[in-house]
Amino acid sequence: GAGVSQSPSNKVTEKGKDVELRCDPISGHTALYWYRQSLGQGLEFLIYFQGNSAPDKSGLPSDRFSAERTGGSVSTLTIQRTQQEDSAVYLCASSVTLAGETQYFGPGTRLLVL
Amino acid sequence: SQQGEEDPQALSIQEGENATMNCSYKTSINNLQWYRQNSGRGLVHLILIRSNEREKHSGRLRVTLDTSKKSSSLLITASRAADTASYFCATEEIGSGNTGKLIFGQGTTLQVKP
Repeated sequence: GAGVSQSPSNKVTEKGKDVELRCDPISGHTALYWYRQSLGQGLEFLIYFQGNSAPDKSGLPSDRFSAERTGGSVSTLTIQRTQQEDSAVYLCASSVTLAGETQYFGPGTRLLVL
Repeated sequence: SQQGEEDPQALSIQEGENATMNCSYKTSINNLQWYRQNSGRGLVHLILIRSNEREKHSGRLRVTLDTSKKSSSLLITASRAADTASYFCATEEIGSGNTGKLIFGQGTTLQVKP
């Protein structure tokens, strides 16, 4: 079956602009995760969803970051007023249920903020 | 914050040789997962080993887990040039509120020379 997909694959934006990153999880997976991979920080957890709910937003780097999930499926990660330090690969993963299960990752969105 | 430390950071071997990568972590875990990443993009899941398991095999891969030493190893036997990639361990901590949050190590870069 289809894996996790993300769009766009690459995004170049100017500092101060808003960007929206999209994740389509594997059908039927109730849990969805966002991670970020940057040179200085490695792979870091950002936020998780159980269904449409994101109970803990403390992993988001700043209040410029927000995420939502609708219909228990597609999720979007929005970064407002982008900064150069936001440049990274943003990875989405999904799993059948929350916790204790294999997480399947998408190909990522490479974001470059100029 | 990164929980896992991987050793070595880089490994270069000849095709046909075995490659061993080690991962150490700091807290009690539910499970540990190994991933492969090519060219800085999506993560490919290799093996999940639960805290009550000591060893798992998948094809040419063998993973061990020693919870008393808080360490894991990934062995790739009869390596191929196509195994060239970065390998990451990721732990799901007990007490993470059953969020499924994965904490990644810094990774081992493996180069297999033909």
